Amino acid sequence: DADVTQTPRNRITKTGKRIMLECSQTKGHDRMYWYRQDPGLGLRLIYYSFDVKDINKGEISDGYSVSRQAQAKFSLSLESAIPNQTALYFCATSDATGADTQYFGPGTRLTVL
Amino acid sequence: GQQLNQSPQSMFIQEGEDVSMNCTSSSIFNTWLWYKQEPGEGPVLLIALYKAGELTSNGRLTAQFGITRKDSFLNISASIPSDVGIYFCAGRGMNSGYSTLTFGKGTMLLVSP
Repeated sequence: DADVTQTPRNRITKTGKRIMLECSQTKGHDRMYWYRQDPGLGLRLIYYSFDVKDINKGEISDGYSVSRQAQAKFSLSLESAIPNQTALYFCATSDATGADTQYFGPGTRLTVL
Repeated sequence: GQQLNQSPQSMFIQEGEDVSMNCTSSSIFNTWLWYKQEPGEGPVLLIALYKAGELTSNGRLTAQFGITRKDSFLNISASIPSDVGIYFCAGRGMNSGYSTLTFGKGTMLLVSP
């Protein structure tokens, strides 16, 4: 079984719709992250959480919100999706007590029409 | 914020050739990581570097943490078709109080059989 899972893997939605992307991990890591990947731009950090109820903005948090209600789950929401939020979204986890290396989920491809 | 310059942007090589790619930063990093991303998947950690001057191998891959702490390179020897993918460097800054990574924009590697 995969250590970091993301649902859905693909989603097509319309402008203005509310969307939630889910991330779950079985690694027991305390830290979780959401990234966005666009062609030619690499990975950019949206939000991160170092513990349950801890939320921190990343490089590009505008238009997004997150929720960390349990250690194993970190959800990303787009309250009102817009076309330039079309991208690949990745969740990652890391262990603060170890080397803090980040491990990524398989990604969610989101298309906003 | 911190920025990483990764080069080259892309490489198209013949099977059996050696490959070299590098990342440079305007600021000092205390950790360098190299990831590989295959189509439809999330980035997978290849090599982690934690000390200036450190040289680490993982099979045909070798990476080094630059002495100045501002650069790192990744070499792949005797490339094979399954080496195809996007390679990302990532660094964690010396002055960062938070465990977030800065990613390079990636090097796309294509290998011709």
